[in-house]
Amino acid sequence: DGGITQSPKYLFRKEGQNVTLSCEQNLNHDAMYWYRQDPGQGLRLIYYSQIVNDFQKGDIAEGYSVSREKKESFPLTVTSAQKNPTAFYLCASSISVAAGANVLTFGAGSRLTVL
Amino acid sequence: AQSVAQPEDQVNVAEGNPLTVKCTYSVSGNPYLFWYVQYPNRGLQFLLKYITGDNLVKGSYGFEAEFNKSQTSFHLKKPSALVSDSALYFCAVRDLENNRLAFGKGNQVVVIP
Repeated sequence: DGGITQSPKYLFRKEGQNVTLSCEQNLNHDAMYWYRQDPGQGLRLIYYSQIVNDFQKGDIAEGYSVSREKKESFPLTVTSAQKNPTAFYLCASSISVAAGANVLTFGAGSRLTVL
Repeated sequence: AQSVAQPEDQVNVAEGNPLTVKCTYSVSGNPYLFWYVQYPNRGLQFLLKYITGDNLVKGSYGFEAEFNKSQTSFHLKKPSALVSDSALYFCAVRDLENNRLAFGKGNQVVVIP
């Protein structure tokens, strides 16, 4: 089945540690995205990538980093500089960024808790 | 910048009654509009979208939405709600001028048996 796989589903981190969330897609989509979801705030865009080896900051990129070395993979690192990292993180993909009508396909999410 | 407003935090409806989830939007150009649904601890699933053409859009699971340009609204509707429709619903708008996608804060729908 085609889709997006996020791992781990649950992650606990001590303050000051970096953690990396995995996102893999087998949909052959060019564009990939990372969103953060907090209760009552909807989804906020962290980073997105339109093509391999290229990515752009979203609305809340501070304290996060990404890479796009392969078309199917778009890992997100939550660094110690992120002041409030406890949240639900969603990875998504679409055929492209440029085509406005494209629908996003989402992974099941990763819940990060800072202890 | 584009934005979406979902004015109600929670919508409660009895099973079998009509369900409406409200959404208004703001864009500088022509909008592409979307509805997604999220079940607990899951990612979002696409329900339907408006691009152009007929103002009434039909989507998955019996949902439909009506685009109203004069009221800048895109309300989601279902004629007869099911308990399994209980979930978090997100409206989203893409501004074609900058191609950015903005999500609303979401509406929790509770269908009471």
